[in-house]
Amino acid sequence: QSALTQPASVSGSPGQSITISCTGTSSDIGGYDFVSWYQQNPGKAPRPMIYDVTKRPSGVSNRFSGSKSGNTASLTISGLQAEDEADYYCSSYTTRSTVIFGGGTKLTVL
Amino acid sequence: EVHLVESGGGLVKPGGSLRLSCAASGFTFSSYSMNWVRQAPGKGLEWLSFISSGSIYIYYADSVKGRLTISRDNARNSVFLQMNSLRAEDTAMYYCARDYHDRGYIDSWGQGTLVTVSS
Repeated sequence: QSALTQPASVSGSPGQSITISCTGTSSDIGGYDFVSWYQQNPGKAPRPMIYDVTKRPSGVSNRFSGSKSGNTASLTISGLQAEDEADYYCSSYTTRSTVIFGGGTKLTVL
Repeated sequence: EVHLVESGGGLVKPGGSLRLSCAASGFTFSSYSMNWVRQAPGKGLEWLSFISSGSIYIYYADSVKGRLTISRDNARNSVFLQMNSLRAEDTAMYYCARDYHDRGYIDSWGQGTLVTVSS
């Protein structure tokens, strides 16, 4: 099964909003509301930012939000801050009871 | 606080085997399903395997099926990954990860153990 499709890179200036897309199929993103997003800084383990499409774990800023339409999920970061610069990965539960990740998106804060 | 500590990584020759371990603490281990996820140097995350709380349900990624075996010991609060017939492309950081609700959301990650496959 191929990875979910994410843009390789996105960028934005402080204070702006950016959106990262994550495209899959009806066997994963389109089939369930079990999409997650993770933030990863260099040399660190991933940190959960969004789960079940729209839910935020405790401690995650409300500047982070998630959504889904059809086979595509999105992560939006509003009020961009320098500390948001990191790699972001989406993931989805699949109809085969497995998990599939996206290829990752490098966010640059200009 | 949830704490996951992986061990067992290292340098292994192609065709060799390795057994990774993950020691869990800070939560009721026997109530949670667990996953293994890896990340090759400079690459993205790749989900490898899932084991349910009571070891009833076990799933693998197609890319590693037949070479990896996941298991757990709830009495020892540990999950394991037996890796056989290792290849250069298995070189990666291997993460132990807790599953929140058995539907793919990983809410806690270890710091990882590095596996290097090279002659």
